Amino acid sequence: KAGVTQTPRYLIKTRGQQVTLSCSPISGHRSVSWYQQTPGQGLQFLFEYFSETQRNKGNFPGRFSGRQFSNSRSEMNVSTLELGDSALYLCASSTSGGDTQYFGPGTRLTVL
Amino acid sequence: DQQVKQNSPSLSVQEGRISILNCDYTNSMFDYFLWYKKYPAEGPTFLISISSIKDKNEDGRFTVFLNKSAKHLSLHIVPSQPGDSAVYFCAAPTALNEKLTFGTGTRLTIIP
Repeated sequence: KAGVTQTPRYLIKTRGQQVTLSCSPISGHRSVSWYQQTPGQGLQFLFEYFSETQRNKGNFPGRFSGRQFSNSRSEMNVSTLELGDSALYLCASSTSGGDTQYFGPGTRLTVL
Repeated sequence: DQQVKQNSPSLSVQEGRISILNCDYTNSMFDYFLWYKKYPAEGPTFLISISSIKDKNEDGRFTVFLNKSAKHLSLHIVPSQPGDSAVYFCAAPTALNEKLTFGTGTRLTIIP
């Protein structure tokens, strides 16, 4: 079974721009969660989608948004980028959300 | 409020010895715990989990112990190998909304 894939792997943007990250979950997984990891920080939960609906949301500003498609693929969008948004963005999929999550390789976003 | 805590940001262990990584939690509703291993610039990899109905789960060199009364779990790696050098996260799904809450991680360095 193919693992979780994320595209692109690396991205460089400038302040004020917006960015869209993509995640394809493991086949059959309906839950997709997004996390942000910054140096010295743990994994900060962004949001979770299940069957095209946002089911859970972390404490991030409204500039961070996401969506999930009928095939369970998910996208995350960050608008009006700030320097502090530079991080590794990780996507994880699972069958139901509260069980074992499997992570993709991440997208390294650098905001200049 | 950090519901899952890893109080040791780093740990160094001699190759061949036992590595013990600790995790404390505050939410008594947690009933399932997971450990993830993460290499730099990669997504976390699921290692081992434990349900609250058990106090020990073993998988090869990895054993997780759960002490519910102390709200404490630990991951034992024996014998430690250089490839075990990574950041280890403990995590638990919240009972209410099922998202995973992660600790801040412990960086394990195995000294050859």
